[in-house]
Amino acid sequence: AQKITQTQPGMFVQEKEAVTLDCTYDTSDQSYGLFWYKQPSSGEMIFLIYQGSYDEQNATEGRYSLNFQKARKSANLVISASQLGDSAMYFCAMREDLTDSWGKLQFGAGTQVVVTP
Amino acid sequence: DTGVSQDPRHKITKRGQNVTFRCDPISEHNRLYWYRQTLGQGPEFLTYFQNEAQLEKSRLLSDRFSAERPKGSFSTLEIQRTEQGDSAMYLCASSPGGVPDTQYFGPGTRLTVL
Repeated sequence: AQKITQTQPGMFVQEKEAVTLDCTYDTSDQSYGLFWYKQPSSGEMIFLIYQGSYDEQNATEGRYSLNFQKARKSANLVISASQLGDSAMYFCAMREDLTDSWGKLQFGAGTQVVVTP
Repeated sequence: DTGVSQDPRHKITKRGQNVTFRCDPISEHNRLYWYRQTLGQGPEFLTYFQNEAQLEKSRLLSDRFSAERPKGSFSTLEIQRTEQGDSAMYLCASSPGGVPDTQYFGPGTRLTVL
């Protein structure tokens, strides 16, 4: 079963506008982490933001913020004031069982964002 | 502060040949991961090292694949008798431990098997 679902294969957004990228997840663990990565056409995965399952406040990192709704199992990424350099593929990922010493990341299929002038 | 590096960045090979990729993690990170990413998909976990010990291997890692991290620093991923289905981006990541143990990725090695 798919653990991470990103339902938007692609999105267009105008420069300076905000965009929300959807991510829903499936886990029975109580302690887990959610990560967002950006992958430009060059291929490198760039870490953007992290939200822990026990974090009471939504994570923010510069122009990135995470709309975490635990009961709905969603962790949507909001990019404010979009820039042309934000054009990239965006991946949501989950690490289950943060109490374990290590954990693999499980990724969604990604959302392609294109920022237009 | 250097990030994760991978070599080569691109590799084109003929079916049946062996290939080897190298990953150098962030120097203070003792955890190292390999992932594979095919076109239009998110990365999929292959294997994990804690220092020099390989602690987990995905079922995706057939017996043609082998990974090592001999001194707990750099790692190599070898694919023997390559097949066209092995064509993908191979990503390496490292992490420092603790919580959240964020994984930082290298630029990847893009493999094309002809």
